[in-house]
Amino acid sequence: KQEVTQIPAALSVPEGENLVLNCSFTDSAIYNLQWFRQDPGKGLTSLLLIQSSQREQTSGRLNASLDKSSGRSTLYIAASQPGDSATYLCAAPTGANNLFFGTGTRLTVIP
Amino acid sequence: DAGVTQSPTHLIKTRGQHVTLRCSPISGHKSVSWYQQVLGQGPQFIFQYYEKEERGRGNFPDRFSARQFPNYSSELNVNALLLGDSALYLCASSLYRTSYNTGELFFGEGSRLTVL
Repeated sequence: KQEVTQIPAALSVPEGENLVLNCSFTDSAIYNLQWFRQDPGKGLTSLLLIQSSQREQTSGRLNASLDKSSGRSTLYIAASQPGDSATYLCAAPTGANNLFFGTGTRLTVIP
Repeated sequence: DAGVTQSPTHLIKTRGQHVTLRCSPISGHKSVSWYQQVLGQGPQFIFQYYEKEERGRGNFPDRFSARQFPNYSSELNVNALLLGDSALYLCASSLYRTSYNTGELFFGEGSRLTVL
């Protein structure tokens, strides 16, 4: 059974700082990994999807990496802004396109 | 283009009642999945439907059921509501059934259910 862990649970940084969010998963037989953003009380917004054949995926100030052999993924956020404040969730799939989610990292960017 | 739409956005029920939540996937998406997210936790998988057939079920009691219609919209039904059913119910759609393809899921804004 897939288990997903995210560290840290919460993170507070000053505006402009670069930061890294960590995600680990137990079953490395995955075909992709997806990162989401969730604002309080809202749904999930897909940020990045990394296929297992890729090692990195970039979108704007976001860069996600995937290391299947070690069961880890990282989300790098460059030049953080107050608008980046949200909970970030990583999710690893099973073969049936169901996702196992971590509990998320709650990010606060202080102006 | 419209994203995944869910209704209602908020609802309050009492214990023992029944609830129906609705979801319309992104146009062209044939796979719909339902997730439950309790406060402070990540979403947990409930059901997946593809081409109107159930393709996956999570570890939820039989009080939870769902179906998918010919237009690929979906309903989630929960009977005999318990206090612990209070959660945000999220619907997700994707083009494909399995993660062997792109597997990217797109979520709606959710339905916030409060059981009193």
